Amino acid sequence: GAGVSQSPSNKVTEKGKDVELRCDPISGHTALYWYRQSLGQGLEFLIYFQGNSAPDKSGLPSDRFSAERTGGSVSTLTIQRTQQEDSAVYLCASSPSGQDTEAFFGQGTRLTVV
Amino acid sequence: AQSVTQLDSQVPVFEEAPVELRCNYSSSVSVYLFWYVQYPNQGLQLLLKYLSGSTLVKGINGFEAEFNKSQTSFHLRKPSVHISDTAEYFCAVSAIFSGGYNKLIFGAGTRLAVHP
Repeated sequence: GAGVSQSPSNKVTEKGKDVELRCDPISGHTALYWYRQSLGQGLEFLIYFQGNSAPDKSGLPSDRFSAERTGGSVSTLTIQRTQQEDSAVYLCASSPSGQDTEAFFGQGTRLTVV
Repeated sequence: AQSVTQLDSQVPVFEEAPVELRCNYSSSVSVYLFWYVQYPNQGLQLLLKYLSGSTLVKGINGFEAEFNKSQTSFHLRKPSVHISDTAEYFCAVSAIFSGGYNKLIFGAGTRLAVHP
């Protein structure tokens, strides 16, 4: 596809379960970001990948959150033992390498923990 | 540390009126500046960006923004808004960090509500 693809688009899970969110970036984009958007909270930075490495994990809220990227392409954000406060829209963005480049966003995954 | 402040969480305005959405940033290094828009139930898309050169930047849908280095501001303006401009607007800064990578940092967003 031409754009950033995220799956699933919606996920409802029970408290305490683990979830995996997937991001397929635009082909050739080396930079990949995960953000969390809570109601009225703006975009909270979670983690940044350059290729397969993550030089900045400073935004991960707790050790229940982890992410990986393989082959310089697909990325997975995993949340273990989900809590109700994890409910939010999780956005992925990718960009070509470089400070001056635009980030292209996926439509997000809406996670609801019940 | 780099940060972005959007001074207004909500801006109500009547159709065809002018609007300004304010954004201030703090950074000890050179930055690039962006405005993104998020329409209801959609992802974010780029409105405009400032990289260098002219401090007045024109974007899509009639929006423009002015970079003011001395005031560390990048306010977004439109001379006459439409109902369809109702959306959430995010200001963002891209800065190089000590590890040699750049990170895109967003403000909290401003919800623009255009009324007939």
